[in-house]
Amino acid sequence: AAGVIQSPRHLIKEKRETATLKCYPIPRHDTVYWYQQGPGQDPQFLISFYEKMQSDKGSIPDRFSAQQFSDYHSELNMSSLELGDSALYFCASSPPGLAGGLGTDTQYFGPGTRLTVL
Amino acid sequence: AQTVTQSQPEMSVQEAETVTLSCTYDTSESDYYLFWYKQPPSRQMILVIRQEAYKQQNATENRFSVNFQKAAKSFSLKISDSQLGDAAMYFCAYGSGNTGKLIFGQGTTLQVKP
Repeated sequence: AAGVIQSPRHLIKEKRETATLKCYPIPRHDTVYWYQQGPGQDPQFLISFYEKMQSDKGSIPDRFSAQQFSDYHSELNMSSLELGDSALYFCASSPPGLAGGLGTDTQYFGPGTRLTVL
Repeated sequence: AQTVTQSQPEMSVQEAETVTLSCTYDTSESDYYLFWYKQPPSRQMILVIRQEAYKQQNATENRFSVNFQKAAKSFSLKISDSQLGDAAMYFCAYGSGNTGKLIFGQGTTLQVKP
């Protein structure tokens, strides 16, 4: 079965540089979520999109922005990178819920992008 | 705000034995879902089991089952016939029925001894 695809899998950047992370959801999934997992920590919700519109926002720095495109893939743009941004970034997707709308179905996670800021 | 607490940072079980991982949560929402995810050393997040809050029956998936106590806001995971491949970090997660976002507990590292 097709899974969530994230690219790149590994990324090394210098401080103050910019990074773009890409996420390709499972076909026919209309909702995408982004999570950040620091070393030894649990994943923290960043932002989500439903049908190409932002649906919820968590503890995402103003330096970060994201969008979902017409083909449902999503990109997380990170600018002015800081050492503390080094983390594993997960994208997850979920299908249209049986009852419609958000929060009604399971999220399936991609393999993550490991970002290292030097 | 919703919170999820896993009070056992580490657990250990003998191969073929049974182990229970604990999780408690707090919420004022009436519509929500609860999950257990497994994260092996590869760091991939793998769904283990899912429970809808409106269902009284505890979910089961092969060797994995949950004890969902809604009034106590408790959601424990029982792993039967533990296998070496079960060794991993296990995260309990709360899913909002309104927004879908997941809130994770701190995780429990499970060690399986041969």
